Amino acid sequence: AQSVTQLDSQVPVFEEAPVELRCNYSSSVSVYLFWYVQYPNQGLQLLLKYLSGSTLVKGINGFEAEFNKSQTSFHLRKPSVHISDTAEYFCAVRSYSGAGSYQLTFGKGTKLSVIP
Amino acid sequence: NAGVTQTPKFQVLKTGQSMTLQCAQDMNHEYMSWYRQDPGMGLRLIHYSVGAGITDQGEVPNGYNVSRSTTEDFPLRLLSAAPSQTSVYFCASSSAQGSYGYTFGSGTRLTVV
Repeated sequence: AQSVTQLDSQVPVFEEAPVELRCNYSSSVSVYLFWYVQYPNQGLQLLLKYLSGSTLVKGINGFEAEFNKSQTSFHLRKPSVHISDTAEYFCAVRSYSGAGSYQLTFGKGTKLSVIP
Repeated sequence: NAGVTQTPKFQVLKTGQSMTLQCAQDMNHEYMSWYRQDPGMGLRLIHYSVGAGITDQGEVPNGYNVSRSTTEDFPLRLLSAAPSQTSVYFCASSSAQGSYGYTFGSGTRLTVV
């Protein structure tokens, strides 16, 4: 079964500083990779996705992520964070689960706190 | 607006009661799934469906039941609620390949006392 590891449960960062949220997954066999953001008391919103092609993907709100197949990583980055980026971020991997179906497996989340 | 609709948004149950969480999508997505979210645990898959009449278990299926009679609806039933089922529940849908990501509902916050 696929597993997803988000290496940091909490990341505090000052406003306008860069940030990297780390994500590793267990298998590199034909996976789709996603980052979702969850603002307090809300549902999940898709930030960006990697399906194939260029290993650097850009998403909404100035975020980007780089797919590294050899290291099975998909780290999320933003060069300059804003207070409004304070939220919980989830890395997810879609992988084949047999019998023609797929499953989306989530990491445990990273809480990003932007300090004024 | 197109998307995934979950009802109710909040619910309090007594131990042993049963209830159904509703999920409906209007995007003609084949794939639908239920997750529960607990602090520090991320989202864990309860059940999923790849089309009408087809369901399967995820990581934490015990105590939950699902059926998929139409493409649009995927209700989650709690058979006999337990305090351990206190959680936030999310329904999600996607096209068969999941290429465009998964669309999530706004969640149901369930408390079992």
